[in-house]
Order: sequence, then structure tokens, then C-alpha cells
Amino acid sequence: AQTIHQWPVAEIKAVGSPLSLGCTIKGKSSPNLYWYWQATGGTLQQLFYSITVGQVESVVQLNLSASRPKDDQFILSTEKLLLSHSGFYLCAWNTLRDWGGGNQDTQYFGPGTRLLVL
Amino acid sequence: GEKVEQHESTLSVREGDSAVINCTYTDTASSYFPWYKQEAGKSLHFVIDIRSNVDRKQSQRLIVLLDKKAKRFSLHITATQPEDSAIYFCAADTGYQNFYFGKGTSLTVIP
Repeated sequence: AQTIHQWPVAEIKAVGSPLSLGCTIKGKSSPNLYWYWQATGGTLQQLFYSITVGQVESVVQLNLSASRPKDDQFILSTEKLLLSHSGFYLCAWNTLRDWGGGNQDTQYFGPGTRLLVL
Repeated sequence: GEKVEQHESTLSVREGDSAVINCTYTDTASSYFPWYKQEAGKSLHFVIDIRSNVDRKQSQRLIVLLDKKAKRFSLHITATQPEDSAIYFCAADTGYQNFYFGKGTSLTVIP
């Protein structure tokens, strides 16, 4: 069975400080990986996705960057945090499967990281 | 780009009644429509999805309907239980790894 982990569970950081959030998936080779941001009480905004090691596509940057250094790892980071970065960061995975009408497949979400920027 | 509108921001039903959450989308290229449940303080949990090659899908007490002509899809929860209380999100995907979510519906099931 596949498991997805995110670290840290929660962070309180100062404005202007750096940030690194991690996501690891076990039990699945070559997954597609995604980063989402959810403002408190808000909807989800997709930030980045990656379909292979070393390749990351930006959807909405929000002064953040992402990297995929290993097949099972996805990293979200910034050198300078803003107040607006506060929220809930979620990592998700799926695989591409051709079902004859497209290639989308179910996304499964990690437990998330809560970030508070002060 | 795609826009997904979730019409009910809050919904209250009595235990045992049905709950219906409606979503509309704008991009005719969207062909995959998942639904997620988020309990307070937790992550998203996949509940059911529908693909554009069908117009109805059922999984136990959950039914999803898709009307491609109207660009509308809906989640029906039958025989609701208190543990169904949560925020439900609809989403749409055009097949390019870009998922668009609605703003969520907070469902309360009153015992």
C-alpha cells in the first residue's frame, strides 16, 4: 500500500525567513506529485506538479519554488516568507492511467503541513 | 483556465435525509471530476469521482451525476449520518495535471 508523508507537521516562522517543506511517497514508483495551498477556511490552489525526477511545472508560484530531487520526494521552499504564505500545504500524488477518455487518475492527499508566518 | 463553482457554501440536513451539493465548470475539455471530504483540521480524503464517459456513478450511499451539456455535476449523499458532517470539495481536471477545486460546501448533519 502507498503511504504519503509530509514534514514538518506544523511550523511557525518569521516573515523573511526561509522555508522548506517536504513530501515523500512510499510504495509507488514514478508517481505524479502535486503541491497545493489552502488558505484558512479557503479553497485549494494548485501550486506545482511534477511527473518525473528533476522536472517541475509551476501553476501558481506565490513566491515559492519546488523541486523533485528523487522519485519519491517533492520539496516546496522559499528563501523569504511573506505573511500571505500562512496556510495549509498539501502534497498529493496520482498516476497516469489511460482510461480511454483521458489519462487522469485519482489524487490522494498527504496529511498536510500547517504554516503560520508571523 | 477552468473555473469550478460550488453553489452551496453551507448545507444543513437532518440525519437520514439526502444532501445534494452542486458544482459547475466552464472548460468543455474537463473530463474528470473527483470529490473530496475534509474534516476539521484534517487533510482531504477522496470520496468518489466520475469520468466524462458516464453520467452516473454510485458508491454505497454516494451518487455522482454528470451533465456534460450543462457543464454541471453533483454529489448526492443518501441516508445521511452525523459522521458525514464535513467540508466537501468538488474538482475538475482537463487532463493536463491541472486540478481546479470549488470553494467547498460545509455540510452539517443534524441528529
